[in-house]
Amino acid sequence: GAVVSQHPSWVICKSGTSVKIECRSLDFQATTMFWYRQFPKQSLMLMATSNEGSKATYEQGVEKDKFLINHASLTLSTLTVTSAHPEDSSFYICSVGGKNIQYFGAGTRLSVL
Amino acid sequence: AQSVTQPDIHITVSEGASLELRCNYSYGATPYLFWYVQSPGQGLQLLLKYFSGDTLVQGIKGFEAEFKRSQSSFNLRKPSVHWSDAAEYFCAVSTDSWGKFQFGAGTQVVVTP
Repeated sequence: GAVVSQHPSWVICKSGTSVKIECRSLDFQATTMFWYRQFPKQSLMLMATSNEGSKATYEQGVEKDKFLINHASLTLSTLTVTSAHPEDSSFYICSVGGKNIQYFGAGTRLSVL
Repeated sequence: AQSVTQPDIHITVSEGASLELRCNYSYGATPYLFWYVQSPGQGLQLLLKYFSGDTLVQGIKGFEAEFKRSQSSFNLRKPSVHWSDAAEYFCAVSTDSWGKFQFGAGTQVVVTP
């Protein structure tokens, strides 16, 4: 299956700063990638669909100006959490694939102090 | 509305005993169904998937799942669990042609000696 790499795996930042998370599809050209957020002891909630070369599609309730997504190439999507606050602390996971299967990255744990 | 329900939040099972995790779905069309496993702080690993055909699906690590359309269920089973099976298990449905997934709340499996 496809190999999906996320970087960093863990990031700690101060409140008010911005953090960028990278999602790379190492062996699969992905026109679409997905970003999920997972709070402790909870399920994955889809945040947005990242579309190569165009604007991301955000799920209801997700602030597009706070969670900036850029999908500039077929192998890289980035999620930038702008002006992070403690409530943004979570586990962020990206995925690539299609309806038949999704391959997930190992996730990025964000801790905002 | 589409939904995925995992009724059991937490299951404790003895090593060597059998395991069954329940999943019910509500979906208008023919569902694409998946089971993923997540170890602490890790991404998701695909155990098995069902699209059509034989309703009993074999997966990795000795897991299998049975699709029952009449019960809208896709329960995961393993005849004899190993301590390494302790993890969080998620049932998921693929909800559109692009690969947007909807996840159940997850079932935490604890394996006792």
